[in-house]
Amino acid sequence: DAGITQSPRYKITETGRQVTLMCHQTWSHSYMFWYRQDLGHGLRLIYYSAAADITDKGEVPDGYVVSRSKTENFPLTLESATRSQTSVYFCASSVRSGSFNEQFFGPGTRLTVL
Amino acid sequence: QQQVKQSPQSLIVQKGGIPIINCAYENTAFDYFPWYQQFPGKGPALLIAIRPDVSEKKEGRFTISFNKSAKQFSLHIMDSQPGDSATYFCAGEAGGYNKLIFGAGTRLAVHP
Repeated sequence: DAGITQSPRYKITETGRQVTLMCHQTWSHSYMFWYRQDLGHGLRLIYYSAAADITDKGEVPDGYVVSRSKTENFPLTLESATRSQTSVYFCASSVRSGSFNEQFFGPGTRLTVL
Repeated sequence: QQQVKQSPQSLIVQKGGIPIINCAYENTAFDYFPWYQQFPGKGPALLIAIRPDVSEKKEGRFTISFNKSAKQFSLHIMDSQPGDSATYFCAGEAGGYNKLIFGAGTRLAVHP
């Protein structure tokens, strides 16, 4: 089915472990994004990518690494997880429709770091 | 630095009421202001959006009012329904880079 998917949907890990969250979209959208959602903070941009092999930092990039070797995939890696990275992570892709930019969000990954 | 300030944090209205959610922005380079709606357990989805060359945009029961001089915009939901219960996020985008800066969100509950 077309759309944007994330895996895993739920993940529990321990402090110091490396964790990779996967994101896959079938639309061939150029732009992709990673957000974290925390109560009281809304959605904060971690990293974004304008195209394959082009990535840039968002508001809260520390402790995260991204790559984008293919247009459809945009994995997010926590190199050494910390408790403060417990959050719900959303991947999104975007397309311009006329003068408007619409971001399409995945279902999210709930990550707990113990 | 929070570039988009959203209020209230939560809101409870009765069915048929008109909840109003307010946002204020600091970055004068913002030229696109969308609202996203998020249901529990789901990702946000675009609800309605406006550019600052108009003062109001209406889509069905949802209306954005925009005040460029005050750097404020708001979402009004007419004849609210229990199915409108969700979290609403405002956002701003600058310069067509597709990057959105979101407000902190408003959790709306519409009671029957």
